[in-house]
Amino acid sequence: GAGVSQSPSNKVTEKGKDVELRCDPISGHTALYWYRQSLGQGLEFLIYFQGNSAPDKSGLPSDRFSAERTGGSVSTLTIQRTQQEDSAVYLCASSQTGRGFQFGSGTRLTVV
Amino acid sequence: AQSVTQLGSHVSVSEGALVLLRCNYSSSVPPYLFWYVQYPNQGLQLLLKYTSAATLVKGINGFEAEFKKSETSFHLTKPSAHMSDAAEYFCAVSSNFGNEKLTFGTGTRLTIIP
Repeated sequence: GAGVSQSPSNKVTEKGKDVELRCDPISGHTALYWYRQSLGQGLEFLIYFQGNSAPDKSGLPSDRFSAERTGGSVSTLTIQRTQQEDSAVYLCASSQTGRGFQFGSGTRLTVV
Repeated sequence: AQSVTQLGSHVSVSEGALVLLRCNYSSSVPPYLFWYVQYPNQGLQLLLKYTSAATLVKGINGFEAEFKKSETSFHLTKPSAHMSDAAEYFCAVSSNFGNEKLTFGTGTRLTIIP
């Protein structure tokens, strides 16, 4: 597609429920990243996929967070047993060497 | 490890005045440096990037930044602020270009006073 697509754009969930956030990267981009943007906290790195290499999961805040990337393309970020502190905008980006990052518009997650 | 510090979470300037947003970085390898802008309810847009070529980098919308290794800085400037410049600005550092994660600063919200 023309850009990085994220869905849903908004998600309201009850505390304790699981949520799945989806990211469709730009076709041909080998790298995919998830970031979290909380109010006043800037952008927090979560996880990074590069081709077929093992993902860099060093930014995941707890074991309730996981992500997968199927077929080197679409990625899903899963948050289990959501907590109120998980409320944030989750941003996905993809990149190709020498071409820089392209960000999606994000998914705004609200846990009530 | 890499990190970025943005001095001033909020900056206000008058329309037509100079815009200066500060960014200092820390990196154990030659850095790649970026400025992104985020308009309300939108995603991040790349303003400009430093990738070890010219130290003075020009970007979109009249913005530019200068890489100063001796000061470990990459401040963003614009000679004359416009109302449409009101947004949040993020400085970021990476060890590569397009092949490694970005580490972001906490952002600076720019307000333009009419």
